Amino acid sequence: ETGVTQSPTHLIKTRGQQVTLRCSSQSGHNTVSWYQQALGQGPQFIFQYYREEENGRGNFPPRFSGLQFPNYSSELNVNALELDDSALYLCASSRGGGAGSAFFGQGTRLTVV
Amino acid sequence: ELKVEQNPLFLSMQEGKNYTIYCNYSTTSDRLYWYRQDPGKSLESLFVLLSNGAVKQEGRLMASLDTKARLSTLHITAAVHDLSATYFCAVDPLKGGNEKLTFGTGTRLTIIP
Repeated sequence: ETGVTQSPTHLIKTRGQQVTLRCSSQSGHNTVSWYQQALGQGPQFIFQYYREEENGRGNFPPRFSGLQFPNYSSELNVNALELDDSALYLCASSRGGGAGSAFFGQGTRLTVV
Repeated sequence: ELKVEQNPLFLSMQEGKNYTIYCNYSTTSDRLYWYRQDPGKSLESLFVLLSNGAVKQEGRLMASLDTKARLSTLHITAAVHDLSATYFCAVDPLKGGNEKLTFGTGTRLTIIP
């Protein structure tokens, strides 16, 4: 049990819709990173939030956006959903600054139909 | 672009045997993570290796890091069925680290009784 919680656990959306995924970070952690894991592949880094600011982004289009709140919880928003967005979305909570900690939540399984 | 390669991709081994999973990466890094993933589940942190020559052991698993060779290994001793899972290595490429991880392709390990 990592203390990182994500909601919802499963979600089905229609192509073109918008979705918001949520992540509560572990106590004492101020950094949240989001990853996309397609079936049979390794997770791909989407972006990271540190103290409410975006702190680096992977190779994802602008329709993937996020927020971090003062309590360090975070949201991932995806607009104009495409079928290829179907994946497991993982958030990782860490203390930041290279502390060597990155603990993952249980993930949100998004299916786009 | 940082590339992280694991081999083998698939590994089927008998209980009681020893084997090693290899993780090669293409840039200098002194921080490497190993995770375990069960089907349909999230990532469970196994080891964090934070310096050249680091070696960590937990039960039947031992991980090591050679930053000069850009190589990490995950050694399995006397495998048991419960170790069946997919194992990922992940590299934090920034010196000192910032937990923006690039993952390998994963090694799907099946332990046969």
